[in-house]
Amino acid sequence: GAGVSQSPSNKVTEKGKDVELRCDPISGHTALYWYRQRLGQGLEFLIYFQGNSAPDKSGLPSDRFSAERTGESVSTLTIQRTQQEDSAVYLCASSFLAAPETQYFGPGTRLLVL
Amino acid sequence: DQQVKQNSPSLSVQEGRISILNCDYTNSMFDYFLWYKKYPAEGPTFLISISSIKDKNEDGRFTVFLNKSAKHLSLHIVPSQPGDSAVYFCAASGAGTYKYIFGTGTRLKVLA
Repeated sequence: GAGVSQSPSNKVTEKGKDVELRCDPISGHTALYWYRQRLGQGLEFLIYFQGNSAPDKSGLPSDRFSAERTGESVSTLTIQRTQQEDSAVYLCASSFLAAPETQYFGPGTRLLVL
Repeated sequence: DQQVKQNSPSLSVQEGRISILNCDYTNSMFDYFLWYKKYPAEGPTFLISISSIKDKNEDGRFTVFLNKSAKHLSLHIVPSQPGDSAVYFCAASGAGTYKYIFGTGTRLKVLA
C-alpha cells in the first residue's frame, strides 16, 4: 500500500471489554512500532517489532496489553478488560530496519472507553 | 519521569519570521534526535534528524541544532509559513535501540 493504514479509525467500547487494533505497515518495512497518545500528552512508546519478534515490550502499560505481528506484515494490538484510562489515540508506525529514524505513521485509532 | 521535555506547549509566530522550537533531554546516552510534525487527524511525519556527532543539520527552511553539553536541541524554521502550523514533537533514541522517546509536543501557529 501507499502508506501505513490502521483500523478501525475510531472505536468506542465499554469498560471491561476487549479491543483489537490493527496496523498494516508499508510493504517491505521490517520494523513496526506502536505508540499511544493520551489527550494533551506526547507520544508514548508501547512496543516495537523486528520482523515478527518484539525485542522491547517495556512500554506496554500492563499485562492487559499485548501485541503480535505475523508475516512481517500486519500487527494487532490487543487491550483486554479495557479501562477508562486506556482512552487515547493509538498510533502505528513502520520503517526499514536500517532507518528507524524515519518512521512512517498511520493516522491512528482513536479509542474511547466509556 | 519525562526524559524528553518540550516546555513550551504552544508558540505563535508571524509569517516570514523565525520559529524556534526547543527540546531538552535528561539521558546522556541518547545519541540520535528527531523532529516530527503532526497535523490534526493525521499521524506524525518525519521532518529532520541529527546524530550526536553533529551540532547542526540543515534541510531547506529547517535547521536543527544540538547542544550536547546542555542536553538541548532546537528546531529553527526560517522563514515561517502558515502551512508550518502544526504540532512539533522532538524524539530521542540511544545507540542500538529502536525505542524513541517523544516529547509532549509544541503547537506552532504561524500567523498570516
